[in-house]
Amino acid sequence: DTGVSQDPRHKITKRGQNVTFRCDPISEHNRLYWYRQTLGQGPEFLTYFQNEAQLEKSRLLSDRFSAERPKGSFSTLEIQRTEQGDSAMYLCASSLGVGSMDSPLHFGNGTRLTVT
Amino acid sequence: AQTVTQSQPEMSVQEAETVTLSCTYDTSENNYYLFWYKQPPSRQMILVIRQEAYKQQNATENRFSVNFQKAAKSFSLKISDSQLGDTAMYFCAFIITGTASKLTFGTGTRLQVTL
Repeated sequence: DTGVSQDPRHKITKRGQNVTFRCDPISEHNRLYWYRQTLGQGPEFLTYFQNEAQLEKSRLLSDRFSAERPKGSFSTLEIQRTEQGDSAMYLCASSLGVGSMDSPLHFGNGTRLTVT
Repeated sequence: AQTVTQSQPEMSVQEAETVTLSCTYDTSENNYYLFWYKQPPSRQMILVIRQEAYKQQNATENRFSVNFQKAAKSFSLKISDSQLGDTAMYFCAFIITGTASKLTFGTGTRLQVTL
């Protein structure tokens, strides 16, 4: 068990560019979550997958954001036409969920995005 | 909508002393879980302690314990015998049972443990 890993750790991009982040969950975890954390705030939920199905999306997830989990393993989060307001830490978490029960969420180290 | 409020942005405690971090929440649901997560500087968020709302007994994990007051919607974290390694942001979080999805987090309390 190597934990949840996220890549890259840091990303600096210019406004208008597209960026993609990757998350590798704990291997046996079927649920995967993306959160966004801005300075001085707690994480805010963005979206959630059970296996390869994206089951819920927050209103925070504008149409510039897209997330995938094509084979129910790793996930990618893409932001198109980045804006300065997208600057934040993007956290990935995973859990083992059976029915309505979840194991505690395990978080990755996050990807810090800076849009200049 | 669910909300979580942490009214202490920063706290400081001396090593070996006890500190209590406060958290209140608001929900109309009856079945839920409450959590405290710790986020050390530049490191990943880890679960400290979890409390099921249907349990009256307060959860404890070694030096960490909670005071869960369901009627008051209060969920404070007590850290006993504070250690330098406890220095971190602490987030209170909440999830409705059966939603299998999003945690709602508070804004966090930055705890500094000093010598």
